[in-house]
Amino acid sequence: ETGVTQSPTHLIKTRGQQVTLRCSSQSGHNTVSWYQQALGQGPQFIFQYYREEENGRGNFPPRFSGLQFPNYSSELNVNALELDDSALYLCASSLIQEDTGELFFGEGSRLTVL
Amino acid sequence: GENVEQHPSTLSVQEGDSAVIKCTYSDSASNYFPWYKQELGKGPQLIIDIRSNVGEKKDQRIAVTLNKTAKHFSLHITETQPEDSAVYFCAGANQAGTALIFGKGTTLSVSS
Repeated sequence: ETGVTQSPTHLIKTRGQQVTLRCSSQSGHNTVSWYQQALGQGPQFIFQYYREEENGRGNFPPRFSGLQFPNYSSELNVNALELDDSALYLCASSLIQEDTGELFFGEGSRLTVL
Repeated sequence: GENVEQHPSTLSVQEGDSAVIKCTYSDSASNYFPWYKQELGKGPQLIIDIRSNVGEKKDQRIAVTLNKTAKHFSLHITETQPEDSAVYFCAGANQAGTALIFGKGTTLSVSS
């Protein structure tokens, strides 16, 4: 069974640039969620994707957008980067039909905005 | 809005002692409460969870208790070991069931 994998692991951008982060969900999972984890804080929900559509969104502006592909992998795009966007971005996959709520997290992509 | 508060923020214990972390939540509709462990440089990993129709759940050295009336739940780790050192997060599911609302975390240090 393959776990959740994310790329890249680290990246540095400058303010105003755009970034794309990628996630491959765990085998057999059909739902992908993205979380932002600032240093010393708990993860904060950005959005969830199911059947290639957004299935819930947290308190993040529209410059945070996402995609889910037919193979259930996903992308997180952030436009017009701000300094406060510096954080660890976590992808988590789950199986929506199980309704267990259990999320399986990847190791994250650490974004630094200068 | 939905909120989960967690304390203490740091906890230091001697190997073999017990550790207790407490959380409170605001949304009475929440019905799922997981606990995650996050080691340095890694993503959070589920260690135990509890649903609102259960008051207590145990898995070896780890137990979770839930008081739905008071809207608080706790993680209990007995016979702590150095490898238990990590950041622990409690969480509650949002009303739609699409997201987890996390506490700010507790850094547990177990010294031998």
